[in-house]
Amino acid sequence: QVVQSGAEVKKPGASVKVSCKASGYTFSDYGISWVRQAPGQGLEWLGWISGYNGYTNYAQKLQGRVTMTRDTSTSTAYLELRSLRSDDTAIYYCARADSSGRSGGFDYWGQGTLVTVSS
Amino acid sequence: SYELTQPPSVSVSPGQTASITCSGDRLGDEYACWYQQKPGQSPVLLIYQDTKRPSGIPQRFSGSNSGNTATLTISGTQGMDEADYYCQAWDSSTAVFGGGTRLTVL
Repeated sequence: QVVQSGAEVKKPGASVKVSCKASGYTFSDYGISWVRQAPGQGLEWLGWISGYNGYTNYAQKLQGRVTMTRDTSTSTAYLELRSLRSDDTAIYYCARADSSGRSGGFDYWGQGTLVTVSS
Repeated sequence: SYELTQPPSVSVSPGQTASITCSGDRLGDEYACWYQQKPGQSPVLLIYQDTKRPSGIPQRFSGSNSGNTATLTISGTQGMDEADYYCQAWDSSTAVFGGGTRLTVL
């Protein structure tokens, strides 16, 4: 399973860091993808990080504002989003992904973390 | 950028078969996945690699993918299947989701 950190409220221009702790499988055998869902909207893929070597692949839309990291000692992945805007308000999900980062589905999802950006 | 197109809504009567389509340029050349999301819950993987079901997913859910269209078929639709459904595929190293289809069981 994957368990995420709690809800966050941030002001425009601030940064947020969401964590995703994995258990029940070998963390380094898979990747973690991050997906967000704005209120009433569909799913948007944000990027992927390898659990093995930390290699990342980000959605072009967020290039320069997003950083994904992981800590293999605690089997935890992190998403940091900077220069927050009101349209970053969304539920952020992490999900277990294929080790290649370019195929497969997302089979285990976290419970979601609500990030609210408001002045 | 690559796009996947789904109908916004599909309606079905209980016990009937529901089909939800997902269209994209040469989608059949890639593997498609399908997810179910109920209100207030995280998405659940229903179908991967076009036709495979993860453990625990009922047999009434099936998938196909050919040409430019992937299809999720729900046979013997039940009231509990009322949810949003999303297709997903990979375009190079970018995962792309369809816009989602709300299935209503009338």
